[in-house]
Amino acid sequence: AQTVTQSQPEMSVQEAETVTLSCTYDTSESDYYLFWYKQPPSRQMILVIRQEAYKQQNATENRFSVNFQKAAKSFSLKISDSQLGDAAMYFCAYRSWGNTPLVFGKGTRLSVIA
Amino acid sequence: GAGVSQSPRYKVTKRGQDVTLRCDPISSHATLYWYQQALGQGPEFLTYFNYEAQPDKSGLPSDRFSAERPEGSISTLTIQRTEQRDSAMYRCASSPLDGESYEQYFGPGTRLTVT
Repeated sequence: AQTVTQSQPEMSVQEAETVTLSCTYDTSESDYYLFWYKQPPSRQMILVIRQEAYKQQNATENRFSVNFQKAAKSFSLKISDSQLGDAAMYFCAYRSWGNTPLVFGKGTRLSVIA
Repeated sequence: GAGVSQSPRYKVTKRGQDVTLRCDPISSHATLYWYQQALGQGPEFLTYFNYEAQPDKSGLPSDRFSAERPEGSISTLTIQRTEQRDSAMYRCASSPLDGESYEQYFGPGTRLTVT
């Protein structure tokens, strides 16, 4: 079974600075997807960014980018120019190829300091 | 509909009572997932449906939990004889059956408190 590990329960960053959240996963599959979800205090689940394992290029969405290291099974999220609205729980998630359930990590709580 | 909806948004029940939670997915989506999220944890998979078929219910924690989707659209999750450990956020997500990304769209969740 696949597992996802987020080793940083809490992180903080100064406004306008850059922060990196770590995620590692364990799988024997070669094709899969990785995701970062944001959960603000409202407890919605908001998709931040997605990476297909077959793509070598790291995904980027505006201020959010990932560092995907397939051999190391690592998938970190970098947030640039941090904003107060970025404060939230961030969950890393794995999904096998096809329409299958997500496997989530335990999350990292990000605080943004003004 | 415009998005995934869930009802009720909040439910408080006494230990031993049965509860039923409802999920209304995006109308074009064939696949529907249920997840349980305890406080301070990530969501954990419970079960899913492709239309009305339920290929995997391995995540249901006990036989007190059941789900159905009889017409392949709205789904319900029922917990019988609730226990305090069932207190959690229950999330529903829907996804198209085909497509490269199979992105899952989450509903707002139902926060269940068992007293």
